[in-house]
Amino acid sequence: GAVVSQHPSWVICKSGTSVKIECRSLDFQATTMFWYRQFPKQSLMLMATSNEGSKATYEQGVEKDKFLINHASLTLSTLTVTSAHPEDSSFYICSAHGLADQFFGPGTRLTVL
Amino acid sequence: AQKVTQAQTEISVVEKEDVTLDCVYETRDTTYYLFWYKQPPSGELVFLIRRNSFDEQNEISGRYSWNFQKSTSSFNFTITASQVVDSAVYFCALSVEFGNEKLTFGTGTRLTIIP
Repeated sequence: GAVVSQHPSWVICKSGTSVKIECRSLDFQATTMFWYRQFPKQSLMLMATSNEGSKATYEQGVEKDKFLINHASLTLSTLTVTSAHPEDSSFYICSAHGLADQFFGPGTRLTVL
Repeated sequence: AQKVTQAQTEISVVEKEDVTLDCVYETRDTTYYLFWYKQPPSGELVFLIRRNSFDEQNEISGRYSWNFQKSTSSFNFTITASQVVDSAVYFCALSVEFGNEKLTFGTGTRLTIIP
């Protein structure tokens, strides 16, 4: 079946650094990818919608200059957390939409020290 | 705006018992889609079911069954003869768009099956 990968699966970084997370659809083309964030023991909250070849659409309250999204191809979207701080520590999950269904990646756990 | 409520934060049952996870949704759209996902400790979301608003038929898949009632805006999930492997967080979600589905998730129910 369809597979969505994320890289890295976990990352630990120092406060102030930037972290890039990749989301790839491995066997299908995804014109739309979504980025979600999940804090410990909480629900998933949609951060932004990433459309191939155009600017991402951010949900209310999500800083677009802090969370840079680039959907460079039909199989790759990247989320860059710029100048990360401890409060950005979270589980970041992407999903990719194929022909009829949406598939989730395995998630990336970000810890900012 | 859409809203999904999962009032049960945590449930624990003894193995082999049946358990029902509740989900209540709110939307003004007449066309919408309801989902259930399982999130084991590994974190990866596992898709369980999608149901559109025009299909109120209950569904059974092995030990899993879903009861969709538009009259009460509920989409409950029942696991029969629970097993330890069913221990996970279960999320109910709602979308009002077909094709590029932005999901509104409930807060999740943490299910623990006691051996």
